[in-house]
Amino acid sequence: DGGITQSPKYLFRKEGQNVTLSCEQNLNHDAMYWYRQDPGQGLRLIYYSQIVNDFQKGDIAEGYSVSREKKESFPLTVTSAQKNPTAFYLCASNSVNEQFFGPGTRLTVL
Amino acid sequence: DQQVKQNSPSLSVQEGRISILNCDYTNSMFDYFLWYKKYPAEGPTFLISISSIKDKNEDGRFTVFLNKSAKHLSLHIVPSQPGDSAVYFCAASLNNQGGKLIFGQGTELSVKP
Repeated sequence: DGGITQSPKYLFRKEGQNVTLSCEQNLNHDAMYWYRQDPGQGLRLIYYSQIVNDFQKGDIAEGYSVSREKKESFPLTVTSAQKNPTAFYLCASNSVNEQFFGPGTRLTVL
Repeated sequence: DQQVKQNSPSLSVQEGRISILNCDYTNSMFDYFLWYKKYPAEGPTFLISISSIKDKNEDGRFTVFLNKSAKHLSLHIVPSQPGDSAVYFCAASLNNQGGKLIFGQGTELSVKP
């Protein structure tokens, strides 16, 4: 049963704490992506990785960091430098001309 | 600079009628377009796509039309069903950018029984 998993579904953190969001895929895709969705806005690209041990900044990378040590995994860390971290975070991976999305993580910073 | 725009944040349609969702783009180099459907608190799911070499693609109740000269695409759903109620995103990609997608803001479709 192939797909993308994100955990946890809901995450609460105190302001000033770093938090890491998990993303795992068993689709054997090379490329993986992190997006953020805010109300009334589309999906905005945070970081993406086209191959293991390589990643690039997207449109809104400030305050975020990623790693890609394994093909299957692309964790996203939301750091204390991110000024407005409360949002819905989506991970995706790429097949030819199509992106598959995980179920998302709702992060709320209190 | 919003390269992909969905200017209607919401659309309400009666069950059985046609739903038409619109999307405009500014970059004439985009060569592939996709539509995604998204329910609240879930990830988007792929619906239908179209290459820039075509002007129409049909899949069941869903048809996407591409007008390259106007830089406009539209998604037609007919007949509309209550289960189609969701947020629809259009997205565009450039072949030489490794699969990066640029999304519109989304249109929330409500199909009323």
